[in-house]
Amino acid sequence: SQQGEEDPQALSIQEGENATMNCSYKTSINNLQWYRQNSGRGLVHLILIRSNEREKHSGRLRVTLDTSKKSSSLLITASRAADTASYFCATDTDYKLSFGAGTTVTVRA
Amino acid sequence: DAGVIQSPRHEVTEMGQEVTLRCKPISGHNSLFWYRQTMMRGLELLIYFNNNVPIDDSGMPEDRFSAKMPNASFSTLKIQPSEPRDSAVYFCASSFGGSAGELFFGEGSRLTVL
Repeated sequence: SQQGEEDPQALSIQEGENATMNCSYKTSINNLQWYRQNSGRGLVHLILIRSNEREKHSGRLRVTLDTSKKSSSLLITASRAADTASYFCATDTDYKLSFGAGTTVTVRA
Repeated sequence: DAGVIQSPRHEVTEMGQEVTLRCKPISGHNSLFWYRQTMMRGLELLIYFNNNVPIDDSGMPEDRFSAKMPNASFSTLKIQPSEPRDSAVYFCASSFGGSAGELFFGEGSRLTVL
């Protein structure tokens, strides 16, 4: 069963713009992770934020976590064509990593 | 490191046939996961191994599915007999320390059951 739900389902932006996607989940978590999946490929880990952290940065990525609202957001700044992919949040409850349905991001040149 | 290696990358078979998917995790990782991805259901966790021992197989859809991990460097997912609704992309992922850290995914095995 899917623990996390991403919003929006799809996003189309111009190169150079920022992309923001949100993830909501239902139960308490140990950590929350974001992954990227290019078409026809496996998932690639982007960033992990622990339940006691509120914000984390990695290059052009910024992730926030609000455990009181059971939500997280992923911001990609200064998007590039290579950022075109599906993005998934995944919540860690004990040993299980449950993935949301994903946000498909298209970056137009 | 070559990463997680899955084979075959593509498999087309007929209903009723046995399908075996293979996975070689990253050396040194002690956790292995099998996921299934479909458009309708997204990514579903099928089974999780820790130190070669199946910890949770509650996601395995039916008795037709079985998974083994005979040693730290090899795992198989078997479907017997296969059905058209088993058509999906099957991913293997490995990590050190379960889901507390980063999972490394293979490129997946795309299964089509006719």
